[in-house]
Amino acid sequence: GAVVSQHPSRVICKSGTSVKIECRSLDFQATTMFWYRQFPKQSLMLMATSNEGSKATYEQGVEKDKFLINHASLTLSTLTVTSAHPEDSSFYICSARGMRVADYNEQFFGPGTRLTVL
Amino acid sequence: GQNIDQPTEMTATEGAIVQINCTYQTSGFNGLFWYQQHAGEAPTFLSYNVLDGLEEKGRFSSFLSRSKGYSYLLLKELQMKDSASYLCAVRLTGGGNKLTFGTGTQLKVEL
Repeated sequence: GAVVSQHPSRVICKSGTSVKIECRSLDFQATTMFWYRQFPKQSLMLMATSNEGSKATYEQGVEKDKFLINHASLTLSTLTVTSAHPEDSSFYICSARGMRVADYNEQFFGPGTRLTVL
Repeated sequence: GQNIDQPTEMTATEGAIVQINCTYQTSGFNGLFWYQQHAGEAPTFLSYNVLDGLEEKGRFSSFLSRSKGYSYLLLKELQMKDSASYLCAVRLTGGGNKLTFGTGTQLKVEL
């Protein structure tokens, strides 16, 4: 149990276009999902916390108008990178926290999305 | 700000034991996590400590000292497949289960 999927796994786009990444909890309901970005040989940097039915909370330095987050249901959150530029090329990873008390201590990570902006 | 430090790289021999240290200075503390991450893949959960002491889980053990702001991950009977990056992460208080990750330690297991 506790499987999180991401789609697409890999995307290449032209500079200036927008890219949507989906994060789904497959076998549990996730009240909270997290979006991270990871540059090569660096650790995960939290971008935003997404709560179902409410606005996302962005970390300092992350532009909310550039990285649009929608958490419309208990199993789906989306991250849209608007007007992508080469510096946005990165590995984007989502994670989800379950609703059960037993899951509180763990975040379940998706497999990640490799974004390359040409 | 939050500060979580780990050694950048470590090398160990197959079959040996390795200890990866993590020190933290954060504005709050509500648990420390260790994750394993292979290149190009998502992190996988290894262990969780919230109280002082040692948590053992098979070949992996994790220790926490809250007063010292210190944790370590101990890997026994190293296997080649243990070559990966090991991430220490602190859950902050009042953060809604938000995790702050350390810099990660790249472990290379050699024959």
